[in-house]
Amino acid sequence: GAVVSQHPSRVICKSGTSVKIECRSLDFQATTMFWYRQFPKQSLMLMATSNEGSKATYEQGVEKDKFLINHASLTLSTLTVTSAHPEDSSFYICSARDGAGSYNEQFFGPGTRLTVL
Amino acid sequence: RKEVEQDPGPFNVPEGATVAFNCTYSNSASQSFFWYRQDCRKEPKLLMSVYSSGNEDGRFTAQLNRASQYISLLIRDSKLSDSATYLCAVRTGGTSYGKLTFGQGTILTVHP
Repeated sequence: GAVVSQHPSRVICKSGTSVKIECRSLDFQATTMFWYRQFPKQSLMLMATSNEGSKATYEQGVEKDKFLINHASLTLSTLTVTSAHPEDSSFYICSARDGAGSYNEQFFGPGTRLTVL
Repeated sequence: RKEVEQDPGPFNVPEGATVAFNCTYSNSASQSFFWYRQDCRKEPKLLMSVYSSGNEDGRFTAQLNRASQYISLLIRDSKLSDSATYLCAVRTGGTSYGKLTFGQGTILTVHP
């Protein structure tokens, strides 16, 4: 099946710093990528949808100036958590849709665990 | 009301048992339905799509009831390796840009 990678897999940072998470589709072109966040014992919550070459669409309650998303190519999307605080500690998972495949095909990356001290 | 709701469990069953999970969704315009499995600290992995006519994959059977707006997952002959969190997911949107919304997950523990 299609492979989506994320980097880094785990990051620990001090409060106030910015953290960039990369999401790559390794063997397909992802016209659409999704960013989810999952707090312990809770479900995945969609943060934003990004389409290559255009601005991301953020879900209600997600601050676009805090969670910067860039989808500059068909294989790479980045999420930058700016001025991270302890409440931003979470499991961040990206997902990519194969633009050439069935629109039901959505592949998940392995996730990035962010801990803000 | 949440868009997608599941009983969080946990369900603790012995090996060999049959266990069923239900999931309800609120948007009647939802078009696609899925069950995912998520192991601890891992990403969700697609277990199976759910079709209107119901579908089976080995020990797993999924069903969709559009009138009542719920989907179900039945696991027969449970194995220890089935222990995981099971997430139902619903896609809304009539184009390829539909949004996938997840339930909070049902925790299953299969014990010897």
